[in-house]
Amino acid sequence: KQEVTQIPAALSVPEGENLVLNCSFTDSAIYNLQWFRQDPGKGLTSLLLIQSSQREQTSGRLNASLDKSSGRSTLYIAASQPGDSATYLCAVQTGTLTFGKGTMLLVSP
Amino acid sequence: NAGVTQTPKFRILKIGQSMTLQCTQDMNHNYMYWYRQDPGMGLKLIYYSVGAGITDKGEVPNGYNVSRSTTEDFPLRLELAAPSQTSVYFCASRLGTSGGQNTQYFGPGTRLTVL
Repeated sequence: KQEVTQIPAALSVPEGENLVLNCSFTDSAIYNLQWFRQDPGKGLTSLLLIQSSQREQTSGRLNASLDKSSGRSTLYIAASQPGDSATYLCAVQTGTLTFGKGTMLLVSP
Repeated sequence: NAGVTQTPKFRILKIGQSMTLQCTQDMNHNYMYWYRQDPGMGLKLIYYSVGAGITDKGEVPNGYNVSRSTTEDFPLRLELAAPSQTSVYFCASRLGTSGGQNTQYFGPGTRLTVL
């Protein structure tokens, strides 16, 4: 059974810092890995999707990497802003999506 | 496009009552999903559908039923509500299985409390 773990569970940083969120998964036979953002009381918004054949994807200040063989992904956020405060969820697709529990990020002004 | 819409936003049920959570998408997506999210936990898949007339169980299907008579709608039925079904329910959809078509789009959620 696929298991997805996200570290840290919570992170607090001052505005302007670069930061890394980590995601690991137990079964490397995945189709893709997706990163989502969830604001309090809201649904999930897709940030990045990395195909199993890809090593990384970039969108603006976000960069996600994938090392399928080691079962790891990182989400790098450059020059963090208070508006980045949210919970970030990692999910891997092997047929259906399996989600981690998320990292709650707080960026203070 | 409205994307994925869910109704109601909030609901309180008494133990033993039944209700249907509505989900509609206007993106002509083939795949639709129902998840539940409990505090401090990731999302758990309840049921999913790969197209109209086809549904399948996810990780936590007990106490729920679904139907998919049209491409747009994927209602989730709770029979005999129990306190363990107190949760936030999310509906999601995706277009297909190729590349970016795998991106899932989520509705805003339904917050259900069973007392």
